[in-house]
Parts: sequence; structure tokens; C-alpha cells
Amino acid sequence: EIVLTQSPDFQSVTPKEKVTITCRASQTIGSSLHWYQQKPDQSPKLLIKDASQSVSGVPSRFSGSGSGTDFTLTINSLEAEDAAAYYCHQSSSFPVTFGGGTKVEIK
Amino acid sequence: EVQLLESGGGLVQPGGSLRLSCAASGFTFSGYAMSWVRQAPGKGLEWVSGISGSGGSIYYADSVKGRFTISRDNSKNTLYLQMNSLKAEDTAVYYCAKGVVTLDKLDHWGQGTLVTVSS
Repeated sequence: EIVLTQSPDFQSVTPKEKVTITCRASQTIGSSLHWYQQKPDQSPKLLIKDASQSVSGVPSRFSGSGSGTDFTLTINSLEAEDAAAYYCHQSSSFPVTFGGGTKVEIK
Repeated sequence: EVQLLESGGGLVQPGGSLRLSCAASGFTFSGYAMSWVRQAPGKGLEWVSGISGSGGSIYYADSVKGRFTISRDNSKNTLYLQMNSLKAEDTAVYYCAKGVVTLDKLDHWGQGTLVTVSS
């Protein structure tokens, strides 16, 4: 099973700051890494696909990078509406796995 | 517009059974793989099971293998999850989610249905 390790677990950030969340895979997964945003009491929403590809309707301040085992989600100029949990997800092999999540709080 | 609507959750005793349904609309259901993903209260996401568009390929997490059965009825645009021998640790919100193929990003999610396993 491929283990995805996210860091940090929690981040408290002021608006307009830049946020960086990392996801490390226990073995190489190419670009089969996706990011989701989950706001309180909502279902997850696809944010970034295939490590760095944008998703229609997602603000351009969200971007992804990386390949192989190390990946990054960046939120440029954080807005209040970005308060949420963020999860990485690998679809390289079964069983599909998710990272443990990163909760982003707005100061 | 893609819509996924789960139903069938509720309170069940340990050892009991429950069948979840996910009604899909807004896309050609038979052309897409579907998955079940769960989230225990206050916890992260856990993939449970996935099925190809035709239903010919099926995959399970080890934690549910032998107890849960995923299926789909493409004539009814509906995905199912039959859950047997339920345990307290199966308590979670269960989401159905759409991909393209079975190993894929999940581009649309339902609102979830809560399953509580407790005596």
C-alpha cells in the first residue's frame, strides 16, 4: 500500500499569506496525485488533478507541483473562504490512498 | 450538471447489514468508474471500493474485503454498496464519487450518507 504523508497537519494563516502543503508518497507514483478541498460540513471538491493540472472553476491562486514521491499544493494570497481541510490522493495503484489531511485556519 | 445523491444510511447494530445507494444524473453513468469513500467522525478520507463503468472490474480496501460488496445498475444509473457484518469502526459518512477509470481522480462527489454502527 502506498502511504501518503502530508505536512503540516494544521496551519493558521493570515489572509493574503502564501500557504504550502506537502505530500510525500512512500513509493514513486509519477503524476497520479490529486488534491481536494473539504470545507466544514461539505463533501470534498477536486482542486488539482494529476499533480499540477488545474481544474475548471477552481481559482487560479491554487496550484500544484511535483512528481515521483514529493508533491506540493500552494495557495497564493490566501482568502477567508479557503479555510478548509486539504487532502492529497494517489491513483497510481490499488488500494487508492489519501493523505491524512491538512487543516488550514484563518487567523 | 453532475449530481450524485446517496441514501440508505442510518443506525445499525454491530453485525448488522445495510445497503447504500447512489443515484447519478447529468452524465452517461455507464461510461464512468465510481467509488465509495468514507470519513469517520472528525477523521480523514478512506477509500472503500471502486467499480469500472461496465462493472467488470471491482476493487476493495482490505478493511472491508469480504464484508462489503459494490455493484451498479447502469439501467437505473445507480451505484450500490452492500455492507454486511458491520463493525463500530465502519461508522462514517459514506460518499460516492465519480472518476473516469477505476484508478483516477474523483471529480464529483455526493453529499454523503451517515452510517452509525452501535448497540
